[in-house]
Amino acid sequence: SQQGEEDPQALSIQEGENATMNCSYKTSINNLQWYRQNSGRGLVHLILIRSNEREKHSGRLRVTLDTSKKSSSLLITASRAADTASYFCATDKAAGNKLTFGGGTRVLVKP
Amino acid sequence: EPEVTQTPSHQVTQMGQEVILRCVPISNHLYFYWYRQILGQKVEFLVSFYNNEISEKSEIFDDQFSVERPDGSNFTLKIRSTKLEDSAMYFCASTGDPPNYGYTFGSGTRLTVV
Repeated sequence: SQQGEEDPQALSIQEGENATMNCSYKTSINNLQWYRQNSGRGLVHLILIRSNEREKHSGRLRVTLDTSKKSSSLLITASRAADTASYFCATDKAAGNKLTFGGGTRVLVKP
Repeated sequence: EPEVTQTPSHQVTQMGQEVILRCVPISNHLYFYWYRQILGQKVEFLVSFYNNEISEKSEIFDDQFSVERPDGSNFTLKIRSTKLEDSAMYFCASTGDPPNYGYTFGSGTRLTVV
């Protein structure tokens, strides 16, 4: 079964530094999405990248997708304390299908 | 910005009782989902719903669970005879048609079975 796994599991950085986290998956995908979850709260959609795209930007976020390696990365530039959260990748096999989530990366941004 | 609304935010129930978790998806969305997240674990898919019927369900979604869209706005998850291991955050999500955009998740219902 397809499965997203994030790496690292936890990341601690200083405010202003960049945070990079990776996601790997096992089977072919339609879209890959990144979500943020603050402790005990809901999932907030950050960015979606389609399987035929290689890179996408949204504000301080940069996502790459390498379908040959079945991996994606999320870069948060110039991090802020408010970026402290868990970040999850999620994949689907076709539009409207279920999302399969990875285990998440816990990011701590120290002021 | 449109939101997916879930109620209640926290529900405590006795083991063996039935609970109904409620969701109001975004009004023009057509695909609806329930996910759950046991504390400290991954977000797991439960069920998807499209065109007034279940389109996919996971192994978790057994006869204990059911979903309903009783009117044009609500989407409910019923859990019969709750067990301790049903304690989790339950998230509702919806997406539009064509569903090639991000899914909008609700803030979740924290279910505690005691």
